[in-house]
Amino acid sequence: GAVVSQHPSWVICKSGTSVKIECRSLDFQATTMFWYRQFPKQSLMLMATSNEGSKATYEQGVEKDKFLINHASLTLSTLTVTSAHPEDSSFYICSAPTSTSGVNEQFFGPGTRLTVL
Amino acid sequence: AQSVTQLGSHVSVSEGALVLLRCNYSSSVPPYLFWYVQYPNQGLQLLLKYTSAATLVKGINGFEAEFKKSETSFHLTKPSAHMSDAAEYFCAVTSYGGATNKLIFGTGTLLAVQP
Repeated sequence: GAVVSQHPSWVICKSGTSVKIECRSLDFQATTMFWYRQFPKQSLMLMATSNEGSKATYEQGVEKDKFLINHASLTLSTLTVTSAHPEDSSFYICSAPTSTSGVNEQFFGPGTRLTVL
Repeated sequence: AQSVTQLGSHVSVSEGALVLLRCNYSSSVPPYLFWYVQYPNQGLQLLLKYTSAATLVKGINGFEAEFKKSETSFHLTKPSAHMSDAAEYFCAVTSYGGATNKLIFGTGTLLAVQP
């Protein structure tokens, strides 16, 4: 099946610094990728849709200037949390859709645990 | 608009017992429905999916789910629970086709399996 990787798997940073998270589709191309945020014991909340070659589409309530998304190639999307604060600590998961049996199916990365001190 | 409701945030079963995790959906268009499993500090793994073909869908690890349009349900079942089934399970819905393919997730059900 399709494989999506994320890097780093975990990161600890000081308040006020910026953190970049990479999401890669390893064996397929993805013109679209999705970024989710998951708080402890909660569901996944879609933050934004990353579009290769164009601007990301953000969900309502997500600050686009704080969560910068760049979809530089057909296999790489990055999420940068700018000026991170403790409330940004969360589990960030990306996914990329690809067609299986004619149906778009999303494949998820293993997630990145961000802890802001 | 689409939404998913998972009844029961926590379900506990004994090893060997039937597993039943409930999912009801709301969708104004024909839905595609998914069940995902998440182990601690990991991403999501697809268990099975309904894509308007057979209403009874079989997935990995012995799980299956039945799409019931009249009940707007897509409950997940497994005849006999294993200790390794302990995890968080998410039901999700999307509308078929389309490049954006947004998934709408339920709030999740944490399955505990008692020895």
